[in-house]
Amino acid sequence: DVKVTQSSRYLVKRTGEKVFLECVQDMDHENMFWYRQDPGLGLRLIYFSYDVKMKEKGDIPEGYSVSREKKERFSLILESASTNQTSMYLCASSFFWGGRGQDTGELFFGEGSRLTVL
Amino acid sequence: QQPVQSPQAVILREGEDAVINCSSSKALYSVHWYRQKHGEAPVFLMILLKGGEQKGHEKISASFNEKKQQSSLYLTASQLSYSGTYFCGTEPRNSGGYQKVTFGIGTKLQVIP
Repeated sequence: DVKVTQSSRYLVKRTGEKVFLECVQDMDHENMFWYRQDPGLGLRLIYFSYDVKMKEKGDIPEGYSVSREKKERFSLILESASTNQTSMYLCASSFFWGGRGQDTGELFFGEGSRLTVL
Repeated sequence: QQPVQSPQAVILREGEDAVINCSSSKALYSVHWYRQKHGEAPVFLMILLKGGEQKGHEKISASFNEKKQQSSLYLTASQLSYSGTYFCGTEPRNSGGYQKVTFGIGTKLQVIP
């Protein structure tokens, strides 16, 4: 079975702290994603990565950075957490069904990390 | 820009049908559909591709109008297990080889006995 594991289900941090959210997938997928989920706003893409050490900004990258040093691991970093970053964070991974180029594949999601910043 | 979903919420009785719509202002390569139950991860339902190809679960049906950049998810003879929040996700054409999926705000569906 496909598995995307997020290291922490619940975190409580203080304003200004540096926060690391870790995501590991065991499927050798090329693509990995970080979304945040907020009531009334749906799922919003923060960053995504299509290969080791490669990353692209999503729709709301401000205040976040990412790291992908190994294919199976994608980390989301909040350099200085703020209260407006209190949210549910979802990691996902996928592989292209065909080859490279315009192609697609289903996303497999982790169970989420609920972050509260006080 | 997020795709627009409608309705935002719907309540059905078991056995009734529902349609959830998704529209985008961008030219699309694909539309994804996922369902999320409370406290769980979103789960894949279907992908519809430009050109008419579809991949997904057999019991789910959907359509994709490439010219209008619209998709609809059809839920027929609803069961209690259909309850959850449905998200559509869109991929733009000519994305440079990347897979960038942008989701809507979701449609909350509740099926009651």
